[in-house]
Amino acid sequence: GNSVTQMEGPVTLSEEAFLTINCTYTATGYPSLFWYVQYPGEGLQLLLKATKADDKGSNKGFEATYRKETTSFHLEKGSVQVSDSAVYFCALSDRGSGGSNYKLTFGKGTLLTVNP
Amino acid sequence: DSGVTQTPKHLITATGQRVTLRCSPRSGDLSVYWYQQSLDQGLQFLIQYYNGEERAKGNILERFSAQQFPDLHSELNLSSLELGDSALYFCASSPTGQQNTEAFFGQGTRLTVV
Repeated sequence: GNSVTQMEGPVTLSEEAFLTINCTYTATGYPSLFWYVQYPGEGLQLLLKATKADDKGSNKGFEATYRKETTSFHLEKGSVQVSDSAVYFCALSDRGSGGSNYKLTFGKGTLLTVNP
Repeated sequence: DSGVTQTPKHLITATGQRVTLRCSPRSGDLSVYWYQQSLDQGLQFLIQYYNGEERAKGNILERFSAQQFPDLHSELNLSSLELGDSALYFCASSPTGQQNTEAFFGQGTRLTVV
């Protein structure tokens, strides 16, 4: 079945450092790709998404490009802040049988800690 | 605030018991998903409902069941609970359940089985 593999971490960076969290996927067809973020004690929130090859999703300084040739969707940020400390999940939207039933398949998550 | 409400926030119960977790989706969202989050398994998809009908099943145990009611709220029933069922259970909703639409997550119910 479809799956997502992401760098498990934990990742610890100093403020203003460059961030990369690797994500690769296995899927049949053409999934949509997402990055979700989970702050302590909260649910997941969508960070960014890309729906087709070569699309770049971006939000709050984070970026990720849908690379079909390498089946990757790596998350990057040029200068992290302490407030970026959270768990980051890569996910793909894949289809079950029938219609209106796309579900998200998640990677295991990467804990990011940014120190001042 | 995602607009998805889950109750209760915390639940502590004994092995062998039965519990019900409740989810109110965002206003207008027809699709509801349930996920289980544990340290060893990560986020596992359990089940999806769309406008009252079951649409997709994931790694949901036979001891677990769910339903979506006419007002679109959903309940996840967990029975014959075991220690290993201790986890964070998330509900998410989306407008249509289509591929490109994001899912909005509630804050979760933390279940502890003792």
